[in-house]
Amino acid sequence: NAGVTQTPKFQVLKTGQSMTLQCAQDMNHEYMSWYRQDPGMGLRLIHYSVGAGITDQGEVPNGYNVSRSTTEDFPLRLLSAAPSQTSVYFCASGVRNTEAFFGQGTRLTVV
Amino acid sequence: EDQVTQSPEALRLQEGESSSLNCSYTVSGLRGLFWYRQDPGKGPEFLFTLYSAGEEKEKERLKATLTKKESFLHITAPKPEDSATYLCAVRQGGSEKLVFGKGTKLTVNP
Repeated sequence: NAGVTQTPKFQVLKTGQSMTLQCAQDMNHEYMSWYRQDPGMGLRLIHYSVGAGITDQGEVPNGYNVSRSTTEDFPLRLLSAAPSQTSVYFCASGVRNTEAFFGQGTRLTVV
Repeated sequence: EDQVTQSPEALRLQEGESSSLNCSYTVSGLRGLFWYRQDPGKGPEFLFTLYSAGEEKEKERLKATLTKKESFLHITAPKPEDSATYLCAVRQGGSEKLVFGKGTKLTVNP
């Protein structure tokens, strides 16, 4: 089992560019989520999904889109990158009502 | 208003010097309190889940406890390899969201 796999590990974008952060899990987990982690702010929830075809907003959803067409994949789209979106992004998955398992993160810099 | 508050922000211990980290929470209808360990440049690694007041879990030198308002992560005779940031998260009733505290950075000196 690979667990939760995030790609890419590092990315530099120019302001205004768009991109998709990929997240895939091979554990057949219903629940998947995206967090961003910034110094002094902790992990903040961006979007989450409780199953294929179902998504909902977290604490900081503005500027991000998600979709969940399959159980395995939960991509995060940045529509028009801004310097404020410079952060480390983590994807997590889990069975409902239990713990979440995290990927290794994507370090994004927007210049 | 923070729902999850961790203290202290940073803790420096000598090897073998036992201590505790605190996680206080204000959510209603707790549906789980989770402890994670995070090493620099890595994703959080799951340690424990606690569901009800009075519950305790242990793993090697770590022991997590839960009351109605807070959780403690006790570290007994820590070693340098226990150095990491420890994160606490809660899930409240009616939601699948995990809300995280800002973490405690633990440094254990040899």
